[in-house]
Order: sequence, then C-alpha cells, then structure tokens
Amino acid sequence: EAQVTQNPRYLITVTGKKLTVTCSQNMNHEYMSWYRQDPGLGLRQIYYSMNVEVTDKGDVPEGYKVSRKEKRNFPLILESPSPNQTSLYFCASSMGQGIQPQHFGDGTRLSIL
Amino acid sequence: GQQLNQSPQSMFIQEGEDVSMNCTSSSIFNTWLWYKQDPGEGPVLLIALYKAGELTSNGRLTAQFGITRKDSFLNISASIPSDVGIYFCAVPETSGSRLTFGEGTQLTVNP
Repeated sequence: EAQVTQNPRYLITVTGKKLTVTCSQNMNHEYMSWYRQDPGLGLRQIYYSMNVEVTDKGDVPEGYKVSRKEKRNFPLILESPSPNQTSLYFCASSMGQGIQPQHFGDGTRLSIL
Repeated sequence: GQQLNQSPQSMFIQEGEDVSMNCTSSSIFNTWLWYKQDPGEGPVLLIALYKAGELTSNGRLTAQFGITRKDSFLNISASIPSDVGIYFCAVPETSGSRLTFGEGTQLTVNP
C-alpha cells in the first residue's frame, strides 16, 4: 500500500530536549516536504527536498533542520525545541516537483512544555 | 510564500444542503489544488485545476479555476455527514518547489 509514515504520532516533551520526527515513503517519490498546521493559519511549509541531498527552506524554517540522505526518508529535527513549536506536523511526498499531487502522512502532534 | 485568502473560515450546514467556498490571491497562478482533511488525518487531494476557466467535477464536488487565474471555487452538492472536515485550497510556486495553502474552511454537517 502506497503510504507516507510518520513517527511518532504523538509526543509530549520539554523545552530544549532534542527530538526527531521520522518520515518515510514507499512510493519512490523524489519530492518530500514538511508542514506544520496551526489553527487559523492552515498548513505552512517548513522545509522541502527535491531529491536526495537537496533540501531548501520553506516559509517557516526557523528552529528546524532536515536531512535527505536516502530517497525514502526525510526526518525533521528540532535541535532545541521551544513551546512555540507545539503544533501538528505533516510530512508529504510527490513524484517530481511540488505541483504534483502530494501524499500526506497522518500527522505528528508535538507538545513542547 | 504567497498569500491565499480562503473563505468562509467555517460553515455549519444541514445534511442535503449545497456548500460553496472560495480562495483568492493577489497573484496569478497556473495551478489550483483543493485538499480535504478528515479529522485526525492528513490532507487528501480532491481536485487539481490546470487551466483558467476550467470546471472539474469529482462526484458531488465541483471546482473552478477562475478566469483571472487569481481565484478558485469549490462547491459540494447535497452534503452528507462524511463531508465533515477542513477543506484547503493550495497553489504551487512557479518553480513547483513550494506549495502554499489557504487557511482552510472547517465544514460541519448536521444530520
């Protein structure tokens, strides 16, 4: 089954404790992206990757890092999480560029205390 | 990123009613996308529009790509309870590298 898998689905942690949210897709997609969803703001893009070893900033990259060492994986790293990063996060992938229909994961709800 | 203005922010309707929502921008786009997010899940693509003036249907859903290329509309006919969710419009930047979403329309359907 074609899917985008995120882990964990839920996480409560404390300020400053490094965390990683993993994202994996099994569709051999070149393009992957991370979004955060906040009430009244829709989905805002954090980082995206056009291919292996190619990443770029989205609209709200501050406080986040990503890596794309393999085609299927695109982890989101919060080196020193802060409460304003409490949000619902989605990973997405698509064939080719972002104009192609994007497949989303089921989301990761992060709470930073 | 680009700014998309989506309205209304929320809608409360009775089952069987028709629904209409729209998305506008000050910029011109060559592609408009509509996604639906069910509670507790990620967004799923409903309709993709690639040509100004285009009218595309997907079951009870119909979307239109505005002739000015600055707006798009989504209509749902004869709503049912499973239509509940958040509907987002989205546009890619010209390069296709980035996707910008509207703020979303929260739809509630009362049986």
